[in-house]
Amino acid sequence: DAKTTQPPSMDCAEGRAANLPCNHSTISGNEYVYWYRQIHSQGPQYIIHGLKNNETNEMASLIITEDRKSSTLILPHATLRDTAVYYCIVRVARNTDKLIFGTGTRLQVFP
Amino acid sequence: DAGITQSPRYKITETGRQVTLMCHQTWSHSYMFWYRQDLGHGLRLIYYSAAADITDKGEVPDGYVVSRSKTENFPLTLESATRSQTSVYFCASSDRDSSYEQYFGPGTRLTVT
Repeated sequence: DAKTTQPPSMDCAEGRAANLPCNHSTISGNEYVYWYRQIHSQGPQYIIHGLKNNETNEMASLIITEDRKSSTLILPHATLRDTAVYYCIVRVARNTDKLIFGTGTRLQVFP
Repeated sequence: DAGITQSPRYKITETGRQVTLMCHQTWSHSYMFWYRQDLGHGLRLIYYSAAADITDKGEVPDGYVVSRSKTENFPLTLESATRSQTSVYFCASSDRDSSYEQYFGPGTRLTVT
């Protein structure tokens, strides 16, 4: 599986957009980009995923560069409840279906 | 309620004891997973299962045993617990119909003394 690189921590003011970057320069053509987050002491929570087109759902937007070597997760209006560790994962959506978690980005949203 | 549950939520055991962590899901998902989470390591995959009676090793399987006799259950057993197995354990499930998103349980905090 391709590896990802994320900054260890980021801060964001409440109400502002949080932009979380992820580098995945060795991503293969059939690998998707998935984002999960983990709020303190809880199980990880799926946020969004994409292959090469930008994606948006009720939680966030995912912007993938044209060369697919990097992506950005955007939380458009961060709240205090968005404080969590965010994991960027690249994987093939196939039967083995494993997620390989790195150390993620710790996002702190402040008032 | 439908979902994925884990039991117990907290467990303290002694070195050398056998302990089983339970995981139950109500979606009939084919795939189930066990992860452990330790400070500085993020989540690491222990074992996974693609269907009943089909299991395979993940990154850190040593010291653990799994079984999957029924689709909805995926117990994880520590046959002889060691202090290094003190961790938070998460179970997850997924399926093709859910676009391979993994849904995680609330976790079991295990302390081995």
